[in-house]
Amino acid sequence: QLQLQESGPGLVKPSETLSLTCTVSGGSISSSSYYWGWIRQPPGKGLEWIGSIYYSGSTYYNPSLKSRVTISVDTSKNQFSLKLSSVTAADTAVYYCARHEIVPYSSRLGAISYWGQGTLVTVSS
Amino acid sequence: SYVLTQPPSVSVAPGQTARITCGGNNIGSKSVHWYQQKPGQAPVLVVYDDSDRPSGIPERFSGSNSGNTATLTISRVEAGDEADYYCQVWDSSSDPQGVVFGGGTKLTVL
Repeated sequence: QLQLQESGPGLVKPSETLSLTCTVSGGSISSSSYYWGWIRQPPGKGLEWIGSIYYSGSTYYNPSLKSRVTISVDTSKNQFSLKLSSVTAADTAVYYCARHEIVPYSSRLGAISYWGQGTLVTVSS
Repeated sequence: SYVLTQPPSVSVAPGQTARITCGGNNIGSKSVHWYQQKPGQAPVLVVYDDSDRPSGIPERFSGSNSGNTATLTISRVEAGDEADYYCQVWDSSSDPQGVVFGGGTKLTVL
């Protein structure tokens, strides 16, 4: 059974960089059938897509966050990571890592079939 | 950028049918996915590609998509269906392309 587990600091100071890692177990991150993504959810609010990465390193980013986001992949460790720079209180959220299906014969991403349990990151001094 | 519009809340009595809509410009030309999220839990995929169900999801959950509206239908609603529901599409019409979520709908079982 595929499992995704987020890890990283639960508290980040304003203006610093938020860093999270997602460890994938029960499957290979190098599969050609999936993208791997980050989604966040501020307390009491809806879901916001941050960005997604293919095992080769190809990425898609939410344009509203693109200037501050870097997503990377480490196939040797079966992990992918998120860095969000210059954080403010508005970046306080539960951060989920997830697996996207890929629509066959296209570059489009399909449904999100697996999610991590999520990790709360609070931005505060 | 592409916008998906959901009603903030829907209420239904047990045993009745709940319909949650997701509006978007020509959404019928896109594949719509639906997620259920219960408090304190990660979202769970309940319908993908407009109307398909992942294994383990009851047949009570169904979806449709046409024109400017996609709909998640939950038949014979149970207390355990009370949750937030989100629609999602892949927006390939904008540059750059990306994942778009609706704002979410809270389903209350009366």
